[in-house]
Amino acid sequence: DAGITQSPRYKITETGRQVTLMCHQTWSHSYMFWYRQDLGHGLRLIYYSAAADITDKGEVPDGYVVSRSKTENFPLTLESATRSQTSVYFCASSGAAASPQHFGDGTRLSIL
Amino acid sequence: QKEVEQDPGPLSVPEGAIVSLNCTYSNSAFQYFMWYRQYSRKGPELLMYTYSSGNKEDGRFTAQVDKSSKYISLFIRDSQPSDSATYLCAMSDNYGQNFVFGPGTRLSVLP
Repeated sequence: DAGITQSPRYKITETGRQVTLMCHQTWSHSYMFWYRQDLGHGLRLIYYSAAADITDKGEVPDGYVVSRSKTENFPLTLESATRSQTSVYFCASSGAAASPQHFGDGTRLSIL
Repeated sequence: QKEVEQDPGPLSVPEGAIVSLNCTYSNSAFQYFMWYRQYSRKGPELLMYTYSSGNKEDGRFTAQVDKSSKYISLFIRDSQPSDSATYLCAMSDNYGQNFVFGPGTRLSVLP
């Protein structure tokens, strides 16, 4: 089925570990986004990408790394996880900058 | 002042009621307006997408934009328990340089 897929859906890890969240879309959308969603903060943009090999910081990029070697994939890496990065992470994609974004079902990440 | 404000709720209504969800914003450059619905443990799902001022209707849902007041609304007619979710407004300028989500309003429709 076409759409946007995130994996894993749930992840528990320890502080200091590296963890990578995966995002794959089948629409060939140019734009892809990573958000975190926390109570009291709503959706906050971490990083976005306008095309393969083009990425840019969002509102809360510290502690995160992204890459986009292929249009369809946009992995998010926490290089050294901290408890403050416990959150629900959503990946989204859109065909153009101002177009509606389409979301995956999220990765629920707990850092102990 | 936040760029987009939305009543956090929670909002509880009886089944069949008309629901009004609202957002206010401060950036006059916003031209594209969206409403998303988010069920528990799921990602936001696009519900309505409008450009500039005016109304748009889709089934039981009507989106209304008043750019002069910097105010957008989503009306849900004949609300159903399946409408129970968090509703987020979102808006963007013409170039997507500024794409912003509201914090969301939690809605419960009671049978």
